[in-house]
Amino acid sequence: GAGVSQSPSNKVTEKGKDVELRCDPISGHTALYWYRQRLGQGLEFLIYFQGNSAPDKSGLPSDRFSAERTGESVSTLTIQRTQQEDSAVYLCASSLGGADYGYTFGSGTRLTVV
Amino acid sequence: RKEVEQDPGPFNVPEGATVAFNCTYSNSASQSFFWYRQDCRKEPKLLMSVYSSGNEDGRFTAQLNRASQYISLLIRDSKLSDSATYLCVVILDTGRRALTFGSGTRLQVQP
Repeated sequence: GAGVSQSPSNKVTEKGKDVELRCDPISGHTALYWYRQRLGQGLEFLIYFQGNSAPDKSGLPSDRFSAERTGESVSTLTIQRTQQEDSAVYLCASSLGGADYGYTFGSGTRLTVV
Repeated sequence: RKEVEQDPGPFNVPEGATVAFNCTYSNSASQSFFWYRQDCRKEPKLLMSVYSSGNEDGRFTAQLNRASQYISLLIRDSKLSDSATYLCVVILDTGRRALTFGSGTRLQVQP
């Protein structure tokens, strides 16, 4: 597609429920990133996929968080047993993967845990 | 010490002013550097890459000082539409390749 697409754009969920967030990267982009941004805060790295290499999961805050990506296509971020502190905007970005390429962000999923 | 540090601001400047932001990074092996812009409640968007020799794009000039480990962004002739948060972004090492973001500097251009 023309840009990075994320869905849903907004999600309100009850504490304790599982949620799944989806990211469609730009076609041909081998690198895909998930970030979290709490209100008024900077971006926190969560996980990074590059082609068929093992993902870098070093930013995932707990074992309630997991992400998958099949090849160079769609990625899903799953949060199990959501907590109120999970409320944030979850941003996905993709890139051609080279050092000098910028990264294009999707418009994010705003997650609210009530 | 944070990996990437920025003055959070806000910087309040009148239209037409010149304003500069600095950003310091802690890892001397950092490879690539960018400035992103983020409008309120929007996703970050790439403003410009930062090259060792310095680079300019219209009213925007970015510079890199590897010896002192900082990058800068200069905005000349500020416009109201420049009001946003400016994020300093670094790729820390060749292995991870993930972007590391500063927490941003907020700019408010006033009429």
